[in-house]
Amino acid sequence: QKEVEQDPGPLSVPEGAIVSLNCTYSNSAFQYFMWYRQYSRKGPELLMYTYSSGNKEDGRFTAQVDKSSKYISLFIRDSQPSDSATYLCAMRQRGYSGGGADGLTFGKGTHLIIQP
Amino acid sequence: AAGVIQSPRHLIKEKRETATLKCYPIPRHDTVYWYQQGPGQDPQFLISFYEKMQSDKGSIPDRFSAQQFSDYHSELNMSSLELGDSALYFCASSLVAGGRETQYFGPGTRLLVL
Repeated sequence: QKEVEQDPGPLSVPEGAIVSLNCTYSNSAFQYFMWYRQYSRKGPELLMYTYSSGNKEDGRFTAQVDKSSKYISLFIRDSQPSDSATYLCAMRQRGYSGGGADGLTFGKGTHLIIQP
Repeated sequence: AAGVIQSPRHLIKEKRETATLKCYPIPRHDTVYWYQQGPGQDPQFLISFYEKMQSDKGSIPDRFSAQQFSDYHSELNMSSLELGDSALYFCASSLVAGGRETQYFGPGTRLLVL
């Protein structure tokens, strides 16, 4: 079993819909949670970074972390065709300690398609 | 704004050959990470460096080695290449800002082993 599980999709929704993307994880040592967006043949781009359980909002994006359930979510409001991409959740155990930090553990990514 | 630079962008090699991938971090970033992303797969962490010293090690094969130089650029050396090494190799660099560390990814080097 992978440490991080994410449904690869594809997930297809109409423009303007609210999108919900999710990941579950098994390692309770993970403390830092991120969502990345990756367009085809491009590097991942950081969207959201969260540490504690709860919600964090940034524009049309809301990240939600539930450490007790080992479950994280990303919500996209008013989805646009330009949001069509692969969305990767990522997490790590340690933060930056001034001596470098550990690598990220990614989910497989969910391929999202926003239909115009 | 300057981004992470990786070279080459594309590389074709044959089995048992060697390859060297280069990464130039964003200026003033002190930490570099290497990831391998196979077709349809999630990025797998290989290795990281902080201030030219190895910081963390992931699933990097023994056939691979890496280092960070005095100008903070990093090179990933891959020997005895196998077909399964065909993948997209990302480099990320990081900076601590506001008490958190953000990894910025480069565009990747696409390696094809024939």
